[in-house]
Amino acid sequence: DIQMTQSPSSLSASVGDRVTITCRASQSISSYLDWYQQKPGKAPKLLIYAASSLQSGVPSRFTGSGSGTDFTLTISSLQPEDFATYYCQQSYSTWTFGQGTKVEIK
Amino acid sequence: ELQLVESGEDLVQPGGSLRLSCAASGFTFSSYAMHWVRQAPGKGLEYVSAISSNGGSTYYADSVKGRFTISRDNSKNTLYLQMGSLRAEDMAMYYCAREKNSAFDIWGQGTMVTVSS
Repeated sequence: DIQMTQSPSSLSASVGDRVTITCRASQSISSYLDWYQQKPGKAPKLLIYAASSLQSGVPSRFTGSGSGTDFTLTISSLQPEDFATYYCQQSYSTWTFGQGTKVEIK
Repeated sequence: ELQLVESGEDLVQPGGSLRLSCAASGFTFSSYAMHWVRQAPGKGLEYVSAISSNGGSTYYADSVKGRFTISRDNSKNTLYLQMGSLRAEDMAMYYCAREKNSAFDIWGQGTMVTVSS
């Protein structure tokens, strides 16, 4: 099974900060990597699919990059509504989620 | 509006059974593979099960294999998860999700399964 490891597990940041979350796969997954945002008590929301494609309706401050085993989600200027937990997921071989990264207010 | 609505929330004893449903609307349900994902209280997302668009192919995580059965009724636009031999570790919020471009683009609001004696 493919394991997905996110780092950091949590981070504190201020509004306007540039935030980067990384996700590493235990083997190459090409570009079969998606990013989700989840707020407390809510269902996850798709942000990025196929490593770098922005889901319709998602603000352009969210960008995804990477291929193979190493991937990055970047929020260019953190907004108040961006404080949430972010998950990566691989769909190269069945499906696996990372453990999540909680973005908190500094 | 594209929508998935789960139902079946209940409190069940260890060893018990429960069936969850996920009603789809606003899109051609029969054209999409569907999935179940769960989240234990305070924990991360855990993948559970998948079913192809015509129901002919299914997949289960090792943690539920042999105990859970995924199915769908395309005439009713509904996805199901039959859960059996429930354990304390199955207690979670269960979400259904639509697969598009290999990602899960639509999610339901979730339905809670509580396993306790």
